[in-house]
Amino acid sequence: GAVVSQHPSRVICKSGTSVKIECRSLDFQATTMFWYRQFPKKSLMLMATSNEGSKATYEQGVEKDKFLINHASLTLSTLTVTSAHPEDSSFYICSASEGGSWNTDTQYFGPGTRLTVL
Amino acid sequence: QQQVKQSPQSLIVQKGGISIINCAYENTAFDYFPWYQQFPGKGPALLIAIRPDVSEKKEGRFTISFNKSAKQFSLHIMDSQPGDSATYFCAASKETSGSRLTFGEGTQLTVNP
Repeated sequence: GAVVSQHPSRVICKSGTSVKIECRSLDFQATTMFWYRQFPKKSLMLMATSNEGSKATYEQGVEKDKFLINHASLTLSTLTVTSAHPEDSSFYICSASEGGSWNTDTQYFGPGTRLTVL
Repeated sequence: QQQVKQSPQSLIVQKGGISIINCAYENTAFDYFPWYQQFPGKGPALLIAIRPDVSEKKEGRFTISFNKSAKQFSLHIMDSQPGDSATYFCAASKETSGSRLTFGEGTQLTVNP
């Protein structure tokens, strides 16, 4: 199956700093990438959808100036948490999809990034 | 109308038993129904998926049953094993949504040895 990687897997940072998380599709070209946030024992909450070469579409209630998303190529998307605060501590997961048709719209998820803001 | 409701919230099954997780949706435009398995600290992994043109799909010990008229679908895990202990999420999407998935709330499955 398709492989999606995330880096780093775990990051601890001080309050007020910015953190960048990378999401890569390793063996396919991802037209669309998604960023999710997951709280303990909860479902995945979609934060934003990004298409290669265009601006991300953010879900209602997600601050686009705080969670900067860049999808510069068909294999890489980045999420930058700017001026992180303890309430931003969470498990962030990306997913990628080839998109375009019934047969290629399956989402494949990365392993997640555990962010802890002190 | 975008909701997907999943039950039960948690499930305990003995080894060798059948685990059944149910989901119901409201939006009749949904046309893709995947199930994901997630282990603690890991990302969800696609387990099995179904389109509404079939009523059942089986892959190994995992079967999806789909009832279009009732707007319900379920995951059956036959011969459940302790290694199946994980959180399972159902989801749904429509072709025109650019793969945007609507997730259920998840089911914590524990399979006792």
